[in-house]
Amino acid sequence: SAVISQKPSRDICQRGTSLTIQCQVDSQVTMMFWYRQQPGQSLTLIATANQGSEATYESGFVIDKFPISRPNLTFSTLTVSNMSPEDSSIYLCSVRTGESGANVLTFGAGSRLTVL
Amino acid sequence: GQNIDQPTEMTATEGAIVQINCTYQTSGFNGLFWYQQHAGEAPTFLSYNVLDGLEEKGRFSSFLSRSKGYSYLLLKELQMKDSASYLCAVMDSNYQLIWGAGTKLIIKP
Repeated sequence: SAVISQKPSRDICQRGTSLTIQCQVDSQVTMMFWYRQQPGQSLTLIATANQGSEATYESGFVIDKFPISRPNLTFSTLTVSNMSPEDSSIYLCSVRTGESGANVLTFGAGSRLTVL
Repeated sequence: GQNIDQPTEMTATEGAIVQINCTYQTSGFNGLFWYQQHAGEAPTFLSYNVLDGLEEKGRFSSFLSRSKGYSYLLLKELQMKDSASYLCAVMDSNYQLIWGAGTKLIIKP
């Protein structure tokens, strides 16, 4: 399966600032997925990042708040803009692998953001 | 709407067996996944079911009944390291993953 490097692993941010999370995959993938996991809750898909085109955002998430870049088939960034305490969460990038012949997701280790 | 239900928390004893249930209501079905997530870590893939029946993988087994919208994850010979959250996720007809809130499993000596 793919190996995903994600950074930063954690950060403490001030209200109103922005932070960019980087995700590097050790193989070329068509789609990369950005998830959010708020404390004690499950995973919520923010957007799908496609190389060479705009990201596709899920309901409740907008490009101005979560701009995404996908410059090549192994790398993507997610920016959390104008942060508020409600943005405190773990942000995870993931890719699909062919493990078990299924659309299995492999996740990066996550970026734990705390907004003060 | 689409919905996945699983218990919030379960407790079991080391060496015992535990069954974590998952029921789902989704727009179509293209497979059900179980993931394990240790505290502070990313989810890791455990199992995948697309046809009815039992899939066994070592100490872990996963069962699916599509007619009942039901799955369970069975963990045998529990070890302390099995303490984690277990996430059930269903892929719908649009190949979108719908995630349950997860079951926190606490293993006691």
